[in-house]
Amino acid sequence: DGGITQSPKYLFRKEGQNVTLSCEQNLNHDAMYWYRQDPGQGLRLIYYSQIVNDFQKGDIAEGYSVSREKKESFPLTVTSAQKNPTAFYLCASGRTGKSMVNTEAFFGQGTRLTVV
Amino acid sequence: GQQLNQSPQSMFIQEGEDVSMNCTSSSIFNTWLWYKQDPGEGPVLLIALYKAGELTSNGRLTAQFGITRKDSFLNISASIPSDVGIYFCAGHRGSRLTFGEGTQLTVNP
Repeated sequence: DGGITQSPKYLFRKEGQNVTLSCEQNLNHDAMYWYRQDPGQGLRLIYYSQIVNDFQKGDIAEGYSVSREKKESFPLTVTSAQKNPTAFYLCASGRTGKSMVNTEAFFGQGTRLTVV
Repeated sequence: GQQLNQSPQSMFIQEGEDVSMNCTSSSIFNTWLWYKQDPGEGPVLLIALYKAGELTSNGRLTAQFGITRKDSFLNISASIPSDVGIYFCAGHRGSRLTFGEGTQLTVNP
């Protein structure tokens, strides 16, 4: 089945530990995105990537890192520098159409990270 | 970051009523997208808009890409209980995808 897979669905970590969230897509999409969602809030952009080996900071990149070594994969590391890491993390991927204009974007099911 | 102002923040309606929500921005966007999110799930794409002035329907949903490219609206006709959820607008500017804050819709049977 084609789609975007985020794993795990729930993740618990101790404060001070780095943790990596997985995002894999088999839709042959060029663009991939990571968002953070807090209770009752909208989606805030952490990082995004248009092509392999290239990515840009979003609005709240501090305390996070990413890599894009393969087109299919865009893992997000939540580092110990992130002050409030407990949140719902959403990964998305999307096509690039004519003139490199991004078109639709589709989401995974999310990972709920709880840091204790 | 770029701002998308989505309104209203919440709506409480009776089953069968029509609903309208909108997003505005001070920036021009190349694409407008509308999503619905159920609790604990990822947002699901409802409608994608690519051209200024474009009006697109998906069943009971209709959305328009504003002529200035700075706004979009979503209408839901004849609402049903399963329309409950959070609706988000999103806009592409370059390779960056920015979201509005969402509209929480409650439908009373």
